[in-house]
Amino acid sequence: DIVMTQSPDSLAVSLGERATINCKSSQSVFFSSNNKNSLAWFQVKPGQPPKLLIYGDSTRDSGVPDRFSGSESGTDFTLTISSLQAEDVAIYYCQQHYSVPITFGQGTRLEIK
Amino acid sequence: QVQLQQSGPGLVKPSQTLSLTCALSGDSVSSNSGAWNWIRWSPSRGLEWLGRTYYRSKWYNDYAASVKSRIIINADTSKNHFSLQLNSVTSEDTAVYYCASGWAFRHWGQGTLVIVSS
Repeated sequence: DIVMTQSPDSLAVSLGERATINCKSSQSVFFSSNNKNSLAWFQVKPGQPPKLLIYGDSTRDSGVPDRFSGSESGTDFTLTISSLQAEDVAIYYCQQHYSVPITFGQGTRLEIK
Repeated sequence: QVQLQQSGPGLVKPSQTLSLTCALSGDSVSSNSGAWNWIRWSPSRGLEWLGRTYYRSKWYNDYAASVKSRIIINADTSKNHFSLQLNSVTSEDTAVYYCASGWAFRHWGQGTLVIVSS
């Protein structure tokens, strides 16, 4: 199984400041057929289904604000929120769908400082 | 626009079977490019993928090892829905259950809180 490890487990950031969440996969999730990493980021808020933010490690899904961005370096992936808004308080998960079982990171809880 | 609508009971007794259905609109469960997943979330375990079904000239299933001996996911093309059956449930199976579409889970059902309790 591919293990996804996120850091930190929790994060407190001031409004308007940058938030950075990291995710490391235990092996490559690069899919040569489309030249992309099979890596997605989700936002989970209480009482709501998870929301897809980023797929292919750096492509924002439709309607996702451009303050959210994804990047990668090999098996290290980063979700960045450039200017934190109050509505961004949530738990964030990375996910690999390169191989089964599909696996998620343990989650990063993001709060306002 | 793909939409997923879940249905099923929110309370299941220990040792019994959890059954949920996900009705699909805006796509077909027998699409040759689709994939239909079940995932659950709990505060202690976060997001956990349970399994999926998909059609590529015939039906395929993949399941997580943690539930493989107890789970069945299948699709009903006449009703355009897919379902989850999880047998012999325990309190460890208490969670919010979601259905989701595709490989990167773009579309999700609304979620069903399932409590395992007598």
